[in-house]
Amino acid sequence: GAVVSQHPSWVICKSGTSVKIECRSLDFQATTMFWYRQFPKQSLMLMATSNEGSKATYEQGVEKDKFLINHASLTLSTLTVTSAHPEDSSFYICSARPGTGNGELFFGEGSRLTVL
Amino acid sequence: QKEVEQDPGPLSVPEGAIVSLNCTYSNSAFQYFMWYRQYSRKGPELLMYTYSSGNKEDGRFTAQVDKSSKYISLFIRDSQPSDSATYLCAMSRGGATNKLIFGTGTLLAVQP
Repeated sequence: GAVVSQHPSWVICKSGTSVKIECRSLDFQATTMFWYRQFPKQSLMLMATSNEGSKATYEQGVEKDKFLINHASLTLSTLTVTSAHPEDSSFYICSARPGTGNGELFFGEGSRLTVL
Repeated sequence: QKEVEQDPGPLSVPEGAIVSLNCTYSNSAFQYFMWYRQYSRKGPELLMYTYSSGNKEDGRFTAQVDKSSKYISLFIRDSQPSDSATYLCAMSRGGATNKLIFGTGTLLAVQP
């Protein structure tokens, strides 16, 4: 199946710093990518929809100035957690769908963020 | 009421058992239904993908969708210890950028 890669897979940072997470579709182009957050023993919660060449669409309750999303190309989307705090510690997962339509959605391996 | 309801478990079964996992939903507009498997500290892996009502079989896995009852199921035959994971149902209305709504996931443990 299609491959979605995330980097880094694990990051620890100090409170107040910013962290960037990359999501790449390795063997297909993705006009749209999705960013999810998953707390321990909870399901995936959609944070935002990343659109290539335009602004991301954020879900209700997600601060767009805190979670900056840039979808610079058809194979790369980045999520930057700005001024991170301990409550931002979570598992961040991106996903992408080849082409357009209703095809399968492929997920990255996730990035675990720990804010000290 | 959540859009998608799923029993979080945990569900423990002996090796070789048939496992039944279920989700209910409230939004009749959902048309695409998926089951994902997630191992600890890993991203979800797509297991089954179905459109509208009906059954779909792939090896030991069978997915069923009953839109009239707003109920979907995943059956695992001859369960193996390697099937131990969290199983998430997900669904969407469709469309190029339409988002997935996930259930909370059911933690399955298959005992050898």
